[in-house]
Amino acid sequence: DTEVTQTPKHLVMGMTNKKSLKCEQHMGHRAMYWYKQKAKKPPELMFVYSYEKLSINESVPSRFSPECPNSSLLNLHLHALQPEDSALYLCASSQGDRISTDTQYFGPGTRLTVL
Amino acid sequence: DQQVKQNSPSLSVQEGRISILNCDYTNSMFDYFLWYKKYPAEGPTFLISISSIKDKNEDGRFTVFLNKSAKHLSLHIVPSQPGDSAVYFCAATDNFNKFYFGSGTKLNVKP
Repeated sequence: DTEVTQTPKHLVMGMTNKKSLKCEQHMGHRAMYWYKQKAKKPPELMFVYSYEKLSINESVPSRFSPECPNSSLLNLHLHALQPEDSALYLCASSQGDRISTDTQYFGPGTRLTVL
Repeated sequence: DQQVKQNSPSLSVQEGRISILNCDYTNSMFDYFLWYKKYPAEGPTFLISISSIKDKNEDGRFTVFLNKSAKHLSLHIVPSQPGDSAVYFCAATDNFNKFYFGSGTKLNVKP
């Protein structure tokens, strides 16, 4: 199994809703990432988990809350989002603990629309 | 201030010819560089990478060249195929575990 899966594929939510994005990998990778990608822009790093601990938080607003329940799963909890948060949310994982040099494998993303 | 730049937003190439995608960076601390390929409505797919201790890395039809003195890297695709049509992102990283992406170049390979 060499893929990163993400659910749901599409999500539409209101500004008062609470929802979660899920990401899963079974490659034994030790680092997992959340990226946000707006249309025609490169992905922007949001969070990095290394050995199930949050190692990098790129000054992301608190309405985005990551969670790593175990080494294979990564969640992104969403609450009180704004319409400008609408984007493609990408999960990635990499082998090893040298996050800066290990190749990242990306999931297909969740297309989020906030109304 | 964008530390990784792809100055060509688009490139059109005839099938069978060479595609050359360029990327420039400003931070001399970057020690690893990656190219990603992205189809519409899909996540980026890792394509090829190069460490700063090398100046060339080859994988099948894809070759990445790194010129550290010029802070420039390029991706060569030979021969180009219509299936290569996608957006290509250059990325760089340093010891601080951050990734910096370019804005992407849309490659169109014409049959």
